Amino acid sequence: QKEVEQDPGPLSVPEGAIVSLNCTYSNSAFQYFMWYRQYSRKGPELLMYTYSSGNKEDGRFTAQVDKSSKYISLFIRDSQPSDSATYLCAMSKSNSNSGYALNFGKGTSLLVTP
Amino acid sequence: DADVTQTPRNRITKTGKRIMLECSQTKGHDRMYWYRQDPGLGLRLIYYSFDVKDINKGEISDGYSVSRQAQAKFSLSLESAIPNQTALYFCATSDLFRGRGSNEQFFGPGTRLTVL
Repeated sequence: QKEVEQDPGPLSVPEGAIVSLNCTYSNSAFQYFMWYRQYSRKGPELLMYTYSSGNKEDGRFTAQVDKSSKYISLFIRDSQPSDSATYLCAMSKSNSNSGYALNFGKGTSLLVTP
Repeated sequence: DADVTQTPRNRITKTGKRIMLECSQTKGHDRMYWYRQDPGLGLRLIYYSFDVKDINKGEISDGYSVSRQAQAKFSLSLESAIPNQTALYFCATSDLFRGRGSNEQFFGPGTRLTVL
């Protein structure tokens, strides 16, 4: 079993919808949680970062972490066609000796249709 | 200009050939990483480097080697390429002294490698 599980989709929604993207994980040592967005033929770009449990909001994006359930979410409000991309969750432990290695989910492909 | 650059962007080669992929960064970060991305498998770490004198194997280092020529340069070599090394390769950087300890990584645009 991979440490990080993410439904690959694809997920197709109409413009303006609220999108919910999720990851589950098995290692309780993960402390830092990130969401990356990857457009086709591009490198992943950091979208949201959260430490430990709680919520973080940035414009139309909200990241949630529930460490008790080992579950993280990314919500996109008022989704736009430009949000069409693959979204990757990533997480790391607080351990300097490991180089803070990131564990990635496989990514969820999102398509927002006009 | 891009902070993390990779060359070449695309490469087609034959089985048994030696290939080098190069990564340069202007972010001033100390840590650099090489990943490969395959459909259905996601991003997997090949090697990472804390600084010029430090090299560490990642999840899938077999068949690969790396060289950290300078703080800003990290190259990945395939000594004898094989078809199952066909993938999208990404270089990434992070900053030990960023203050969060979160290992936020910044990725290059990728190299699409095809081994025939």
